[in-house]
Amino acid sequence: GAGVSQSPSNKVTEKGKDVELRCDPISGHTALYWYRQSLGQGLEFLIYFQGNSAPDKSGLPSDRFSAERTGGSVSTLTIQRTQQEDSAVYLCASSPSRVYNEQFFGPGTRLTVL
Amino acid sequence: SQQGEEDPQALSIQEGENATMNCSYKTSINNLQWYRQNSGRGLVHLILIRSNEREKHSGRLRVTLDTSKKSSSLLITASRAADTASYFCATDSNTGGFKTIFGAGTRLFVKA
Repeated sequence: GAGVSQSPSNKVTEKGKDVELRCDPISGHTALYWYRQSLGQGLEFLIYFQGNSAPDKSGLPSDRFSAERTGGSVSTLTIQRTQQEDSAVYLCASSPSRVYNEQFFGPGTRLTVL
Repeated sequence: SQQGEEDPQALSIQEGENATMNCSYKTSINNLQWYRQNSGRGLVHLILIRSNEREKHSGRLRVTLDTSKKSSSLLITASRAADTASYFCATDSNTGGFKTIFGAGTRLFVKA
């Protein structure tokens, strides 16, 4: 079956522009996570969704970052007024539920802010 | 800050040898997971061990968990060149919140 997909795979933008990153989780998965990974580093948790609600947004680094999820499915991560330090790979993962903890990851979106 | 920390940061071994990676964490957890990441296949879940378990096996993988020391180890036996990847531990805390915290990873290189 289809795995987690993310789009775009690569995004190059200019400092100050807004970007939207999209995640399509595995159908039926209620839990959805966003992470970012800088070069050679581990994953930094950003936000967790259960259905359409986000009970944990504690990892969002600033108010320039926001995310939403609609229909219990697709999620969009928006970064406003991008900065060079936002450059990273943004990864999305989904899981059948919070209790079933294995996370299935998408291929990521590589964001480069010039 | 990251909760999980892997040790060593990098490991280079010959094919056929065993590889051991360690992970330490800071707070009480519900479970600990190990993931592998390589350029070809992205991040893939390897194994999950719950806080009430001490050891778990999956094929050539063996994971141990010592909650008193807040540490875990991943052993890969009879390594293959295809095992070359970065390995991350990830923890789900039971102290509130819904974060999964990943460590910085161990980069394993298996020489053919």
